Amino acid sequence: NAGVTQTPKFQVLKTGQSMTLQCAQDMNHNSMYWYRQDPGMGLRLIYYSASEGTTDKGEVPNGYNVSRLNKREFSLRLESAAPSQTSVYFCASRLATGTYGYTFGSGTRLTVV
Amino acid sequence: GQQLNQSPQSMFIQEGEDVSMNCTSSSIFNTWLWYKQDPGEGPVLLIALYKAGELTSNGRLTAQFGITRKDSFLNISASIPSDVGIYFCAGQPRGGGSQGNLIFGKGTKLSVKP
Repeated sequence: NAGVTQTPKFQVLKTGQSMTLQCAQDMNHNSMYWYRQDPGMGLRLIYYSASEGTTDKGEVPNGYNVSRLNKREFSLRLESAAPSQTSVYFCASRLATGTYGYTFGSGTRLTVV
Repeated sequence: GQQLNQSPQSMFIQEGEDVSMNCTSSSIFNTWLWYKQDPGEGPVLLIALYKAGELTSNGRLTAQFGITRKDSFLNISASIPSDVGIYFCAGQPRGGGSQGNLIFGKGTKLSVKP
């Protein structure tokens, strides 16, 4: 029972490079989320998908795009990485919007140089 | 937007001490949740509260859903070294606010007293 799996765990990018962070859950959850965590800022919502086929912006969407590939997978793409996107990124899932808590992945630590 | 004020921001613990932290909001919440994040890991759910006044324990951890529905408290009794980490409160606003998403506090960082 893996829960929420994120890949990669660590990544270093050069400014301007692109990459996709992958997230998959095996709990048959409907809702999925991408957060970034920076020191002193807590968890900030980037994008979310309330259900398969829908995506919406969160608090800090600029510079990111997402794809809800299917019910299991929700990817986050940085088209042109900037040093301000250096952060730890967490994917989370939930049975449905408005119900219960989130299950988080173990995170991707991204450094943009 | 809606915010949760979590305090304290950080605290130092000595083994055996009791620890308290809280979260407050200006609006009403239907659900309160407490998470713990160990270094290098994602947050893990500790306790979920669904009714005003509810008091729930998980081992040495006890959390309460405030009767005003605008606050919640987490207590850790007889702390041990593995209690260090960041504790987050999270809430589900009443009426589907925040698009049905949870709102998180900024966290309380527990460290060991030098």
